[in-house]
Amino acid sequence: NAGVTQTPKFQVLKTGQSMTLQCAQDMNHEYMSWYRQDPGMGLRLIHYSVGAGITDQGEVPNGYNVSRSTTEDFPLRLLSAAPSQTSVYFCASSYSGEGYSGNTIYFGEGSWLTVV
Amino acid sequence: DQQVKQNSPSLSVQEGRISILNCDYTNSMFDYFLWYKKYPAEGPTFLISISSIKDKNEDGRFTVFLNKSAKHLSLHIVPSQPGDSAVYFCAASAGHKLVFGAGTILRVKS
Repeated sequence: NAGVTQTPKFQVLKTGQSMTLQCAQDMNHEYMSWYRQDPGMGLRLIHYSVGAGITDQGEVPNGYNVSRSTTEDFPLRLLSAAPSQTSVYFCASSYSGEGYSGNTIYFGEGSWLTVV
Repeated sequence: DQQVKQNSPSLSVQEGRISILNCDYTNSMFDYFLWYKKYPAEGPTFLISISSIKDKNEDGRFTVFLNKSAKHLSLHIVPSQPGDSAVYFCAASAGHKLVFGAGTILRVKS
């Protein structure tokens, strides 16, 4: 059982380039989300999805785009990378049925992105 | 405006003693509060949670206390072990969206 898988683990981009961070989960979770972690700021929600075909913005959505064509995959696109997007990115998924008690949110191992 | 605050960036504790990590929040609508543990180069892993209708939840060496009137929660680790050394994030849940604190680095010295 792979859980939540993120690729790539490390990436260096030049300012203005675009790229996609991939996220896949094999737990049949309906809810998926992307967070970024910056020093002294914890993790902040970028975008989230409550199911295939449904996405919404989180706290820091600017410069990022998402889509959810399948239950398993939730890619995060950087349209025109900026140095301010240098961060560690975490994908998460969770079960959304009855009995949710906050303990069923699973995180991937992270993707380290540097924009120069 | 940070809705979840962890005011101590780091904490150092002797092995076998109690570790107490603190967290404050501002939004009364949060329904669950969680603690996540994170090692370097890994994703956060769930540690323990507490519903907003309870004031204590215990799981082995870990206990979380919630004081709703003070909008404060704390994580107690007893006894602390060197393997507990990690970054601990407090998070509050509004549905499936988590709001995280900035984290506290816990170092347990042997």
